Amino acid sequence: SAVISQKPSRDICQRGTSLTIQCQVDSQVTMMFWYRQQPGQSLTLIATANQGSEATYESGFVIDKFPISRPNLTFSTLTVSNMSPEDSSIYLCSVAGRDGGYTFGSGTRLTVV
Amino acid sequence: QKEVEQDPGPLSVPEGAIVSLNCTYSNSAFQYFMWYRQYSRKGPELLMYTYSSGNKEDGRFTAQVDKSSKYISLFIRDSQPSDSATYLCAMSGGGGSEKLVFGKGTKLTVNP
Repeated sequence: SAVISQKPSRDICQRGTSLTIQCQVDSQVTMMFWYRQQPGQSLTLIATANQGSEATYESGFVIDKFPISRPNLTFSTLTVSNMSPEDSSIYLCSVAGRDGGYTFGSGTRLTVV
Repeated sequence: QKEVEQDPGPLSVPEGAIVSLNCTYSNSAFQYFMWYRQYSRKGPELLMYTYSSGNKEDGRFTAQVDKSSKYISLFIRDSQPSDSATYLCAMSGGGGSEKLVFGKGTKLTVNP
């Protein structure tokens, strides 16, 4: 299965600022997925990122708040913009393996103060 | 009704016990079923992956899918303290191109 390197692993940010999270995959993948895991909750999909096209956002998530880049088949970034304490969560990227299972990065633990 | 329901626990068992974790779902289009293990402050780790109905075994872990009942299970035999984690079920309608829908996760503690 694919290996994903995600960074930063954690950050503490001031409200009103932005944080960009990076995911690097060790193989070429068509789609990358970005999830959010709020404290004590399960994972919720933010958006799906295809290389060469606009990301597709889930209900409740908008591009202005969570812009995504997908410059090539092994890399993607998610930016959390104009942060508020409600954005404090773990953010995870994911790709689908050839066998159908999905692999996740180790996550970015974001605290907004 | 939520698409995927999972008892959040917490579940506490003695070392060596057989653990049964379960999820129910409502969307009959789901074809791919996964179980993830998540340690504290880590990303989810894929444990088991099953397509459609049936059983799959991997070491101490057995995954079962009953599509007629919309019910999936994960069994852990001879549980170990290192199995202490949150277990998440996840499912999707298509492989590779569709989003995963997750249960809320069950927190398991295996006591030595």
